[in-house]
Amino acid sequence: DIVMTQSPDSLAVSLGERATINCKSSQSVLYRSNNKNYLAWFQQKPRQPPKLLIYWASTRESGVPDRFSGNGSGTDFTLTISSLQAEDVAVYFCQQYYTAFSLTFGGGTKVNIK
Amino acid sequence: QVQLVQSGPEVKKPGASVKVSCKASGYPFTRYGINWVRQAPGQGLEWMGWISADNDNTNYAPKFQGRVTMTTDTSTTTAYMELRSLRSDDTAIYYCARDPIAGMHLWLDPWGQGTLVTVSS
Repeated sequence: DIVMTQSPDSLAVSLGERATINCKSSQSVLYRSNNKNYLAWFQQKPRQPPKLLIYWASTRESGVPDRFSGNGSGTDFTLTISSLQAEDVAVYFCQQYYTAFSLTFGGGTKVNIK
Repeated sequence: QVQLVQSGPEVKKPGASVKVSCKASGYPFTRYGINWVRQAPGQGLEWMGWISADNDNTNYAPKFQGRVTMTTDTSTTTAYMELRSLRSDDTAIYYCARDPIAGMHLWLDPWGQGTLVTVSS
């Protein structure tokens, strides 16, 4: 299985400041034939299911605010919240879909307000 | 709109089985696969397996092979996940989540609301 490692486990950011979450895969999730990174990001608030934010590592899902952005390629990825809002308090997960029938997730990063 | 609505919470004794349902609406049911993912209390997400709603082909994570069965009922557009020989560490929220694009198994979207399964003697 591809192991997804997120860092940090948690972070506290002031309102309006930038939050950056890292996700590293144990092997590349870049599919050479189409030059796409098979990585998604999710947001999970308490007592709710995960909500898709980003797929193909950097494509924002419809309706997701543009303060959320994804970057990276190969094995190293980041999710950035450019200006943290109160409603962004949540746990964020990365997910690889490079191995179609062995999907794996990062351990999650909890974002709080400082 | 696309919706996945899951069955209610369950409390089971060790060794028992549980069957969770996932009622789909708002899209052509047989064109999209359904995944099952679980989340133990305060923990991360664990993919359990996938079923094609078209032909009932399945792919299970090795950890659950032999203990899980995923099925669909196209007449009611409902997917099911049965887990047998339950242990205390099976206590978790179980989610169904659809493939995002017809015929393509990629990220997971949308998700059901989750079903809490508690295993306790």
